[in-house]
Amino acid sequence: DTAVSQTPKYLVTQMGNDKSIKCEQNLGHDTMYWYKQDSKKFLKIMFSYNNKELIINETVPNRFSPKSPDKAHLNLHINSLELGDSAVYFCASSPQGGRNEKLFFGSGTQLSVL
Amino acid sequence: GENVEQHPSTLSVQEGDSAVIKCTYSDSASNYFPWYKQELGKRPQLIIDIRSNVGEKKDQRIAVTLNKTAKHFSLHITETQPEDSAVYFCAASWYTDKLIFGTGTRLQVFP
Repeated sequence: DTAVSQTPKYLVTQMGNDKSIKCEQNLGHDTMYWYKQDSKKFLKIMFSYNNKELIINETVPNRFSPKSPDKAHLNLHINSLELGDSAVYFCASSPQGGRNEKLFFGSGTQLSVL
Repeated sequence: GENVEQHPSTLSVQEGDSAVIKCTYSDSASNYFPWYKQELGKRPQLIIDIRSNVGEKKDQRIAVTLNKTAKHFSLHITETQPEDSAVYFCAASWYTDKLIFGTGTRLQVFP
């Protein structure tokens, strides 16, 4: 019954590897996001998709590639992982795009790059 | 681009006291100001929000005030309880769903 679910919860990997984080929402929302929370707890938007279309693409390295196969899913693939990528990544969704509504966050994926 | 400053970074209060967290924003076009609470190891959750056509909004022990002229908004928690201990984030956006978050305030409520 989880509204926004993301997997895995923990991800430990070596530098240079490629990894993916999956996100699914069962709320029927149109808009989905990826946020990064660093070690100082600073929350920063990375991407947003509205109905499978990319809306927001912040200054994120090209190594990060979001993919939205349908409006209920937004996955994040990261190539050539670096130490600085270590953070908690939160997926989120909101009902409609462009109306500034409540964000529903997933439980987060703690990524540790060794 | 939009910038949101949040103060203080840490706040310790005695149970029953009030807590106030303040934020300022830079983009005068911003029109939506939510507050999120993040308990340790958990996801951020919306606790209250305010839009630019309103000056104040209250929900039980929490309230938010907005001063558009000065471009600042504040979160007020009255009669604090230990379960209010968490990190609180303010945020601002202008229509585009691009929420810019403040740097967070770690609130500790001591029994």
